[in-house]
Amino acid sequence: NAGVTQTPKFRVLKTGQSMTLLCAQDMNHEYMYWYRQDPGMGLRLIHYSVGEGTTAKGEVPDGYNVSRLKKQNFLLGLESAAPSQTSVYFCASSSRSSYNEQFFGPGTRLTVL
Amino acid sequence: AQKVTQAQTEISVVEKEDVTLDCVYETRDTTYYLFWYKQPPSGELVFLIRRNSFDEQNEISGRYSWNFQKSTSSFNFTITASQVVDSAVYFCALSDRTLSGGSYIPTFGRGTSLIVHP
Repeated sequence: NAGVTQTPKFRVLKTGQSMTLLCAQDMNHEYMYWYRQDPGMGLRLIHYSVGEGTTAKGEVPDGYNVSRLKKQNFLLGLESAAPSQTSVYFCASSSRSSYNEQFFGPGTRLTVL
Repeated sequence: AQKVTQAQTEISVVEKEDVTLDCVYETRDTTYYLFWYKQPPSGELVFLIRRNSFDEQNEISGRYSWNFQKSTSSFNFTITASQVVDSAVYFCALSDRTLSGGSYIPTFGRGTSLIVHP
């Protein structure tokens, strides 16, 4: 099992460019999450999904969109990147029955110039 | 106000010292779950432990132990005889239904960076 994978691992964008981060899990988990990690701020939830076709906003959703068209994939989109979105992005998944013990991907380091 | 407070931003100890990482949480839910995760310098996040709100028994796993006290809304983590490999950022998290109204969604503290010197 690969667990949770994220694509790409690194990316540099210019202000105003768009991109999509892909998260994939092979554990048949219902729940998936996108977090951003900034120095001194811990992990902040951007969006989450409790099942295929459903998404919901987290603590810091502005500037991001998500889609969960397939159970195993959770996409995070930046329509018009801003320097404030420079961060490390983590995807996670969890099984509903495990009451949210989360399995994390390796992270994507995004720099917006 | 933070739902999960890890007041210690950074702790520095010498190998073999015992160290306690504090976690204080806030929730109105009667059923909730508490977690600790470890993030070593390599960057990945690793699950350490989960407790539910109805189980206040302390837990020990090797050199690691956890003290859950509902009366003080705390879930502290102690490492006994610390080692250099324990150097990492440790996150406490609370999973409750405040954000979603139905599903248990976790909120993380800001983390405590533990540095263990040889």
